Amino acid sequence: VQLVESGGGLVKPGGSLRLSCAASGFTFSNYGMNWVRQAPGKGLEWVSSISSSSSYVYYADSVEGRFSISRDNGKNSLYLQMNSLRAEDTAVYYCVRDVTIGTTPYYFDYWGQGTLVTVSS
Amino acid sequence: DIVMTQSPDSLAVSLGERATINCKSSQTVLHIYNNKNYLSWYQQKPGQPPKLLIYWASTRESGVPDRFSGSGSGTDFTLTISSLQAEDVAVYYCQQYYRSPPITFGQGTRLEI
Repeated sequence: VQLVESGGGLVKPGGSLRLSCAASGFTFSNYGMNWVRQAPGKGLEWVSSISSSSSYVYYADSVEGRFSISRDNGKNSLYLQMNSLRAEDTAVYYCVRDVTIGTTPYYFDYWGQGTLVTVSS
Repeated sequence: DIVMTQSPDSLAVSLGERATINCKSSQTVLHIYNNKNYLSWYQQKPGQPPKLLIYWASTRESGVPDRFSGSGSGTDFTLTISSLQAEDVAVYYCQQYYRSPPITFGQGTRLEI
């Protein structure tokens, strides 16, 4: 299993950024996927989840209405569109595979290396 | 949301000794339907992403050394490393998936030699 994030960088407050995650080594279309972030020197914060067929999407309250998760099973790729970025969104963003039972994510069994997003003027 | 609180925030243990990390949830994560505790543990070494160690509170992930064990039920849980090795220096996180979403993590416990 490999998860490789890209798209991070420096962006000004109020700006937008799109993160991508390229998945390989497993049948991508069978798994729920997530974004989890970690601010510098801080703990882990779940950001968003998407079910295997994109039927169910979930967001943390802190990003609801500003971020949008999507996936392309034909391209084995996961995305996170981030709009109206704030300084507090500065973090390493991890692409994470989950174990889903029913319609909701449970625990996380594989993590990418992460991509750093810095929101600063 | 379920709040996860770990203790202590940091811990120093000698090589070969036992390390114990606690995690308390603000409400039960034990599902009476299947008698399972919806709790997992992760290890994050410096400069690396987190790694799954334990799920369902006590089931060790494949490849995880058997010196790692999880216990507890309801609202109180423990991660135990029976004989600390140098490579176990890391930050450890608990996570609940009983009320998902949102999935919530503890604040982390830093384990040092």
